[in-house]
Amino acid sequence: DAKTTQPTSMDCAEGRAANLPCNHSTISGNEYVYWYRQIHSQGPQYIIHGLKNNETNEMASLIITEDRKSSTLILPHATLRDTAVYYCIVSVRGGANNLFFGTGTRLTVIP
Amino acid sequence: DSGVTQTPKHLITATGQRVTLRCSPRSGDLSVYWYQQSLDQGLQFLIQYYNGEERAKGNILERFSAQQFPDLHSELNLSSLELGDSALYFCASSVLAGKRNEQFFGPGTRLTVL
Repeated sequence: DAKTTQPTSMDCAEGRAANLPCNHSTISGNEYVYWYRQIHSQGPQYIIHGLKNNETNEMASLIITEDRKSSTLILPHATLRDTAVYYCIVSVRGGANNLFFGTGTRLTVIP
Repeated sequence: DSGVTQTPKHLITATGQRVTLRCSPRSGDLSVYWYQQSLDQGLQFLIQYYNGEERAKGNILERFSAQQFPDLHSELNLSSLELGDSALYFCASSVLAGKRNEQFFGPGTRLTVL
């Protein structure tokens, strides 16, 4: 049932921007793009979400392409504490809104 | 700290036994979700409750059941435990109203079945 495709792993130098891509070519008009991350067996942590406009919060920025078939999560200045598995999820807002976690991208921030 | 609490943190038990995992949602959140994370399956949605009523079911086995109480805390009951039930069990909560729908996860309960 995976609706998203992400690279298995990525490395990023500490202090540099981490750009994590996600493909969701079958996204429907009422589905949002959510990003969560999980730091080593801790509970997943919500990062950001968006529908079609780019979004920014204190943690990250989310860039969604105009056709909404892909998106990029940007961590502007990666730190060692950003090392985690990042999950890109598409989900209808409201209703049950159960999250389907795929395999995610394992981001390693290198000193 | 997400505001979601789960007890116990760790649980070790034997096959065939029954255990209860407890979750307290964030203050004001009406919806509770349970997820299972095992090494070979990743994070799997089990079940959701909203204000005491079951709202959605995922890959939850018949040996597992859950409920949400009037004070909104939830319990996940696992019975006739098998080795394969060893996993991290996460609870999440959300407001599920209007525009606020993000899920906030607890620290999890690590269940080991021997």
